[in-house]
Parts: sequence; C-alpha cells; structure tokens
Amino acid sequence: AQSVTQLGSHVSVSEGALVLLRCNYSSSVPPYLFWYVQYPNQGLQLLLKYTSAATLVKGINGFEAEFKKSETSFHLTKPSAHMSDAAEYFCAVSVGSTNAGKSTFGDGTTLTVKP
Amino acid sequence: KAGVTQTPRYLIKTRGQQVTLSCSPISGHRSVSWYQQTPGQGLQFLFEYFSETQRNKGNFPGRFSGRQFSNSRSEMNVSTLELGDSALYLCASSSRDRGKVNTEAFFGQGTRLTVV
Repeated sequence: AQSVTQLGSHVSVSEGALVLLRCNYSSSVPPYLFWYVQYPNQGLQLLLKYTSAATLVKGINGFEAEFKKSETSFHLTKPSAHMSDAAEYFCAVSVGSTNAGKSTFGDGTTLTVKP
Repeated sequence: KAGVTQTPRYLIKTRGQQVTLSCSPISGHRSVSWYQQTPGQGLQFLFEYFSETQRNKGNFPGRFSGRQFSNSRSEMNVSTLELGDSALYLCASSSRDRGKVNTEAFFGQGTRLTVV
C-alpha cells in the first residue's frame, strides 16, 4: 500500500520568497507522484507529475519538484512566491500504469503569502 | 476540450434522505473516480469506474454506491444520509490506457453536499 505525508499543514512565506512544500511517500513499487493545487471551493488542478522520467520535474506557474528516491521525497518548490500562489497544495501517489484513477493524497498544506 | 463537469455544485439534504451526484468526464476519458473531501479526513478515495465496471473501491460503507454509463458519465449515490456525509465530493477523469505512462486525473469543481 502507498501513503503520503506532507510535513507542515500551514506554510507562510513573504511575497518574493522561496516556497518549499514537503512531501514524503511510501510505496512498495516505483510510484507515480503528483502535486495538485486547490483554490477555495474549487476542484484540484495538476501542477506537475513524476512518472519515472526526469527526476526534476517542472510544472505550471513556476513550480518544480525533485524526486529523491533515497529520501523518498518529492518536495515542491518555487523560487519566488506570488500572492496568487496562496492556496492549498496536495501531494499524491499512485502505483501502476492502470491506477491513474486511484490516488492516495496527503493531508494538504495551506500556503499563505504575505505582502 | 471541455473539462470535468459535476452537477449540482451545491446541495442541501436532510438526514436520512438519499442523494445522487453526477459527473461528466472529459471527452474520451473512460475512467471516472470519486473522492470525498472533508476538513477532518482530507481527500479520501471512494471508487473508480472504467468501462461501466467498478475497478477500485475505497473504505466506505455500502451506503455509498456508484455507476457508470456507456457514455462514461458517472453517478454517485449516497443513501440514508448522515450528518458526517457533509463534504465536498470530487469527481476526476483520466484516460487510464494500459501500457501507457500513468496519466493524471483531471478534477471537476466538486459538489458541496450539506446534510442537516
């Protein structure tokens, strides 16, 4: 069975500062990893995904994440925070090419961006 | 390409009633998954349907059921509603093609269900 742990339910940064949202996973087989963003009363939007190609994955809105197998981590970063980045972020894992429909999500991290 | 459409967006029901939620996936997607999102439990997987068959199921009681039609549209039904069923119900569609790299799920905006 797979699982995801997001460290820190709330992260606060100043506008222009580095954003770092932490995600550690547990999986008995090579995982597929995703980061999603959710704005209030909205669904989830995919930011980026790791599917065993490049370990450094670039996504939308300037976000990127690095897959580190030795640390079982997939942390999300952005060099410079923008006010519009304030939202809730979810890390998710799924296993197997036929299991796109069943992902296990972390508890989420709420990002606050201060002016 | 139109996204995932969920109807209705908001719903208020009384305890003991039943409710049906609808999800229309992205055109061409044959996999539809349902998730329940609550402040206390986070995002929890309910079930996945592919080609009108339930392929995966989460740990929810039998009051939660679903189905998928030949056009890939899916419905989720909750019977004998309880206060704890109040949540945002999210539907996601994916292409789920065998042999291809795992594809992501595309989410709808959700149905906010309030049980009173």
